[in-house]
Amino acid sequence: GAVVSQHPSWVICKSGTSVKIECRSLDFQATTMFWYRQFPKQSLMLMATSNEGSKATYEQGVEKDKFLINHASLTLSTLTVTSAHPEDSSFYICSAGGLAGGHEQFFGPGTRLTVL
Amino acid sequence: DAKTTQPPSMDCAEGRAANLPCNHSTISGNEYVYWYRQIHSQGPQYIIHGLKNNETNEMASLIITEDRKSSTLILPHATLRDTAVYYCIALKTSYDKVIFGPGTSLSVIP
Repeated sequence: GAVVSQHPSWVICKSGTSVKIECRSLDFQATTMFWYRQFPKQSLMLMATSNEGSKATYEQGVEKDKFLINHASLTLSTLTVTSAHPEDSSFYICSAGGLAGGHEQFFGPGTRLTVL
Repeated sequence: DAKTTQPPSMDCAEGRAANLPCNHSTISGNEYVYWYRQIHSQGPQYIIHGLKNNETNEMASLIITEDRKSSTLILPHATLRDTAVYYCIALKTSYDKVIFGPGTSLSVIP
């Protein structure tokens, strides 16, 4: 199947700093990418839908000014957690859809963010 | 997208078949049934999907009832590496956003 990568796989930062997470579709063009957040022992929670060349659509309760999403190309979407605080510590996962002729979404391996 | 319900947890003996049920009684005619699984601290992994016919691939089989209101994922010979949370989802296309429920936590026991 298609491959989606995330970078970094884990990051530790100080409170108040910003962190950028990259999501790349390695062998297909992803017109739509999705960002999820997962807290321990909980299911994935959709944060936003990212469409190439347009503004992201955020789910209710997700602060768009805090979680900046950019989808500048068909293979790259970025999530920037601005002014991170300890409560933003979580597992962030992206997925990509749009593989020609396919139905399934492909998920990245996730990024573990720890804010001290 | 249709809501799905799954049992919160199941156990299965290693080497035996694991049968994971999913109820999707409100599924619409153009929604596919997808199954993903998530092994601890990894991203979800696609397993299989189907519309109305039963499907089989190298990982699993998917049995969908004739009325499409429920389905069963079958792992024919469960191994310890199959221990994961399994998610059943109804989707129209790969562009649809996926709303994950709590899934079924499958424990494969030696």
